[in-house]
Amino acid sequence: GAVVSQHPSWVICKSGTSVKIECRSLDFQATTMFWYRQFPKQSLMLMATSNEGSKATYEQGVEKDKFLINHASLTLSTLTVTSAHPEDSSFYICSARETFSGGGDTQYFGPGTRLTVL
Amino acid sequence: RKEVEQDPGPFNVPEGATVAFNCTYSNSASQSFFWYRQDCRKEPKLLMSVYSSGNEDGRFTAQLNRASQYISLLIRDSKLSDSATYLCAVNPFEDSSYKLIFGSGTRLLVRP
Repeated sequence: GAVVSQHPSWVICKSGTSVKIECRSLDFQATTMFWYRQFPKQSLMLMATSNEGSKATYEQGVEKDKFLINHASLTLSTLTVTSAHPEDSSFYICSARETFSGGGDTQYFGPGTRLTVL
Repeated sequence: RKEVEQDPGPFNVPEGATVAFNCTYSNSASQSFFWYRQDCRKEPKLLMSVYSSGNEDGRFTAQLNRASQYISLLIRDSKLSDSATYLCAVNPFEDSSYKLIFGSGTRLLVRP
């Protein structure tokens, strides 16, 4: 299957700082990527849809000014958590959508980024 | 009502057992359905897509019931390595979006 990478895999930061997380599709182009957040023992919650060359679409309740998304190329989307606070500590996972010439699509997930805000 | 609902489990079964999970979805316009497997502190990995006609991959069988709005996953001859959390995912196809909405996951424990 296709490979999606995320960087960093984990990060610890102080409250009030900003953290940037990168999501890359390594062997396919992805016009659409997705950002999820997962708290312990809970399911993945979709935060936003990242569209190459246009603004991200945020889910209800997700602050777009706090979680900045940039999808500048067909293989890279970034999520910046601005002015991070301890309640932002979570497992952030991206996925990239691969489409097939014969129709259909599949989403592949990155390995996730574990953010801890002190 | 949640968009996608699953029994959280855990399902605790002996090796060799057959176990089935169900997942219900609320949006009748939903287009695509998937089962993912997630190991502790790892990302979800696609187990299988779910097609209207049902599909099988080795010991795993997935079914879709559009009338009752649920999908199922059957695991036969359970192995210790099947222990994980199984997430169902649904594309509600809102605004022509390809986003996936996940259930809360069902935890499976296979014991020796």
